[in-house]
Amino acid sequence: EAGVAQSPRYKIIEKRQSVAFWCNPISGHATLYWYQQILGQGPKLLIQFQNNGVVDDSQLPKDRFSAERLKGVDSTLKIQPAKLEDSAVYLCASSLSAVTDTQYFGPGTRLTVL
Amino acid sequence: RKEVEQDPGPFNVPEGATVAFNCTYSNSASQSFFWYRQDCRKEPKLLMSVYSSGNEDGRFTAQLNRASQYISLLIRDSKLSDSATYLCVVNRAGGFKTIFGAGTRLFVKA
Repeated sequence: EAGVAQSPRYKIIEKRQSVAFWCNPISGHATLYWYQQILGQGPKLLIQFQNNGVVDDSQLPKDRFSAERLKGVDSTLKIQPAKLEDSAVYLCASSLSAVTDTQYFGPGTRLTVL
Repeated sequence: RKEVEQDPGPFNVPEGATVAFNCTYSNSASQSFFWYRQDCRKEPKLLMSVYSSGNEDGRFTAQLNRASQYISLLIRDSKLSDSATYLCVVNRAGGFKTIFGAGTRLFVKA
């Protein structure tokens, strides 16, 4: 069974530039999560989708971050404009449905903002 | 105060040792609990779910104490390959909130 796919794996940009990350969850998984993990910290949930609807985006900095999950499958996370403090690994995860299900993570995108 | 707190460690133990980690949570509405393992520069992977009755998987035992609002992970007979960061995860059904702890680093040495 294919896992969660993410691209790109690495991205280096300058501050104030824009960047987008892509995630393809495990087939059939209704719930998709985007996390930000800063070095030395645990993953922080940015946004959670149930199919193509947003369930929780309370920690998403909406002035610069946006995310969408069209058709309830793939998802993109965008940062515009990027700040130095956005340097982190952005992890995408998916689960079958309810919050009690196991989350499967993709390999992440390592973002460096210079 | 953070909603989910873990001792960051690091825990440095010799092979064969028994080591235990605790994780405390502050929201009594928390419904489900997990331990994930994260190797250096890798993604987190589920280690085990934590049930009210406790559960065991080989050398690993997880327990939940709802009254005191903490979960624990016990690793017996530590192996070099157990070296990793162990993340505590707490979910709340209301609002579907998922919260990760900052992780506890474990180093097992020969």
